[in-house]
Amino acid sequence: QSVLTQPPSASGTPGQRVTISCSGGSSNIGSNTVNWYQQLPGTAPKLLISNDNQRPSGVPDRFSGSKSGTSASLAISGLQSEDEADYYCAAWDDSLSGRVLFGGGTKLTVL
Amino acid sequence: EVQLVESGGGLVQPGGSLRLSCAASGFSFGSYWMSWVRQAPGKGPEWVANIKQDGSEKYYVDSVKGRFTISRDNAKNSLYLQMNSLRAEDTAVYYCTRGRTTAVCWGQGTLVTVSS
Repeated sequence: QSVLTQPPSASGTPGQRVTISCSGGSSNIGSNTVNWYQQLPGTAPKLLISNDNQRPSGVPDRFSGSKSGTSASLAISGLQSEDEADYYCAAWDDSLSGRVLFGGGTKLTVL
Repeated sequence: EVQLVESGGGLVQPGGSLRLSCAASGFSFGSYWMSWVRQAPGKGPEWVANIKQDGSEKYYVDSVKGRFTISRDNAKNSLYLQMNSLRAEDTAVYYCTRGRTTAVCWGQGTLVTVSS
């Protein structure tokens, strides 16, 4: 069971806005930045959001990240069929030396 | 273009060993922390280990401590993961990634299957 908790599934119709939550604790999200990764079927994960809310070059501005306290969220606006994928949050954890934690993942379905 | 290419995966019996390699190109390999991340079938990613630019610091997830060793050869732009005493629960796709806390770049992965 992951220390970073995500809902197992989310869904939306094309054009809608969806959000995915990630809940952690004071030793991870509460004191370190959050990254989000997108994994399309059959491919390696790809960095989507870094440092809570920074989009790497090439990531559409439809994707945005936010954080408050020990929770973080990924928002996708103008949902598109190609956004159907698994999404994972991740954060460094201070309680164990050198450890990065991943959430359990959220499968996004575009209806 | 940044490229990370893993190799060395395969089928191994419980208790056996494997050595994974990652060939890096398109960036100054010796300037970055590097990590191994694995993903068991149908599961989310799990960070396994990381190593500082000069190899002076190495960290491991508890479940692999004492069994896995991460290393690097900056002259060859290569990252390694020596895996000993393999268990069924080590079965996963192993990814080489660039970065310490943020996996900015990922390879395509290499599958390790531990089974008798």
